Amino acid sequence: EAQVTQNPRYLITVTGKKLTVTCSQNMNHEYMSWYRQDPGLGLRQIYYSMNVEVTDKGDVPEGYKVSRKEKRNFPLILESPSPNQTSLYFCASSPTRDSNEKLFFGSGTQLSVL
Amino acid sequence: SQKIEQNSEALNIQEGKTATLTCNYTNYSPAYLQWYRQDPGRGPVFLLLIRENEKEKRKERLKVTFDTTLKQSLFHITASQPADSATYLCALGSWTGGFKTIFGAGTRLFVKA
Repeated sequence: EAQVTQNPRYLITVTGKKLTVTCSQNMNHEYMSWYRQDPGLGLRQIYYSMNVEVTDKGDVPEGYKVSRKEKRNFPLILESPSPNQTSLYFCASSPTRDSNEKLFFGSGTQLSVL
Repeated sequence: SQKIEQNSEALNIQEGKTATLTCNYTNYSPAYLQWYRQDPGRGPVFLLLIRENEKEKRKERLKVTFDTTLKQSLFHITASQPADSATYLCALGSWTGGFKTIFGAGTRLFVKA
């Protein structure tokens, strides 16, 4: 089944403890992206990647890191999480490098930073 | 700055009626506009895309209009069903300065049986 898989589904952590949220897609998509969703603010882009080893900042990149060593994986790293990073996170991918039309989303990771 | 506005209030309609959701935007020239459906606790699911040179698009019970002069899109669900109850997100895409899709906050739709 074609899908974008995120793990974990739920995560509770404490301030300053490094964490990684994994994202994997099995559709051979070149474009991948991370979003956070907060009530009343909609989805905001954190980072995106046009292809392997190519990443770029979105609208809210502060406090986050990403890497794209393989085409299928695009992990999101929080080196020192803070409470304002408590949010619902979504990974998404798209079929072509030239457009992010028709984004395919994962099921989300609900992160709570205490 | 770029801004997308969707009905902030939830929309309640009776089964069988047509639901109409609005998406307005400012300070943006999108190449295309998308609509997604999001169920509680799930990721958004793509529904329709309409390009800047298109006025209307249909897919089964769904219809989208796109008016670049008014900077507005309308999303219609005809013969609505309780299963259509969800949050609907409007998204704008552009190829200017890289590929970016920006999202509205969504409108919650409730269809009563």
